[in-house]
Amino acid sequence: GQNIDQPTEMTATEGAIVQINCTYQTSGFNGLFWYQQHAGEAPTFLSYNVLDGLEEKGRFSSFLSRSKGYSYLLLKELQMKDSASYLCAVVRNSGYSTLTFGKGTMLLVSP
Amino acid sequence: DTEVTQTPKHLVMGMTNKKSLKCEQHMGHRAMYWYKQKAKKPPELMFVYSYEKLSINESVPSRFSPECPNSSLLNLHLHALQPEDSALYLCASSRQTGDEQYFGPGTRLTVT
Repeated sequence: GQNIDQPTEMTATEGAIVQINCTYQTSGFNGLFWYQQHAGEAPTFLSYNVLDGLEEKGRFSSFLSRSKGYSYLLLKELQMKDSASYLCAVVRNSGYSTLTFGKGTMLLVSP
Repeated sequence: DTEVTQTPKHLVMGMTNKKSLKCEQHMGHRAMYWYKQKAKKPPELMFVYSYEKLSINESVPSRFSPECPNSSLLNLHLHALQPEDSALYLCASSRQTGDEQYFGPGTRLTVT
């Protein structure tokens, strides 16, 4: 089975830094994605980690520790438009690679 | 072109109706997916097609019938749905299974 945990909600202020954590337990782990989803819209890709370490992409960074089953998404210089749900998704390889999403973290950025 | 398109955007259907959802991509991706998403929940995988062959069916009821006519198109045929099937249906594609998935805007389905 699989278990993916993320906080349900987080709040932060404009210009701040926020870290959204994701822990997982799964067999056949083959990478981890972070997606952003605004209300009523489709998820959009933010980052992908398959090896341990930090991946940086502009204001967003993502970290993975495979041994700890842990990842985080770091958002810097928060903007109001960053208010959205952030989904951690684990790639599991069991013949075919499939994506299983965590429940998502709703981030609310206030002025 | 990095777009996945889905039609229709919204669909209201009765429990005895037959309808189809359509998805299209022209990125040369060989994996395509159907997800179901209820409000404030994450997307749930329904079906995976790889090289136009159904690879995974996540125990989806037979009232949902997927079809992949060619490498660019993915359909979801709906028949005798229940009100609890009302949800956002998302299509996605990726170069291969396990790669970054690109999502379409979804079809908002309401079953009355």
